[in-house]
Amino acid sequence: NAGVTQTPKFQVLKTGQSMTLQCAQDMNHEYMSWYRQDPGMGLRLIHYSVGAGITDQGEVPNGYNVSRSTTEDFPLRLLSAAPSQTSVYFCASQRGQGLTVSYNEQFFGPGTRLTVL
Amino acid sequence: GIQVEQSPPDLILQEGANSTLRCNFSDSVNNLQWFHQNPWGQLINLFYIPSGTKQNGRLSATTVATERYSLLYISSSQTTDSGVYFCAVKETSGSRLTFGEGTQLTVNP
Repeated sequence: NAGVTQTPKFQVLKTGQSMTLQCAQDMNHEYMSWYRQDPGMGLRLIHYSVGAGITDQGEVPNGYNVSRSTTEDFPLRLLSAAPSQTSVYFCASQRGQGLTVSYNEQFFGPGTRLTVL
Repeated sequence: GIQVEQSPPDLILQEGANSTLRCNFSDSVNNLQWFHQNPWGQLINLFYIPSGTKQNGRLSATTVATERYSLLYISSSQTTDSGVYFCAVKETSGSRLTFGEGTQLTVNP
């Protein structure tokens, strides 16, 4: 298994540009999430999905869109990039919710470092 | 929402020393994970431990759910242990993982 993969690894955008960060997992996990990490801080949840066709907002959703058309993929779209969106973005997946570690443990991708000028 | 506090925020050790990192949380949880973020930014799962005690080599963790805290023990620290250690929890009534701000660990040779 490749686990959770993210592309690109690095990206530089100009203010106002749009782009999509890709995330894929090959573990047949139901839950997928997007986080951002700013310097000196923990991760904050942007959006998450509990299954194909179902998404919900996290702590900091403004300026981002998501969709989940397949179990494997969970892309994050920046509609009109702003300097405040300069951050490292992590995608994560989890089997589901249940009583055992195999359901609840969350696994993270390698991250995308985004700079908005 | 649930509050997660980690202490200390920074820790500097000499190689070979032992350390204890703490995570306090403000509500009942059914998911607690410890992660290590290495200097290259990669997040590595250390433990899934909503309750009880686990050990993995030089690392061990204990969560006392009734008292709303978890401890991560690092023994005989090595320079490769440097990085940021995060605690993340999911409250019993919620569906999201909430992260603490982390403990920055530096192990000097």
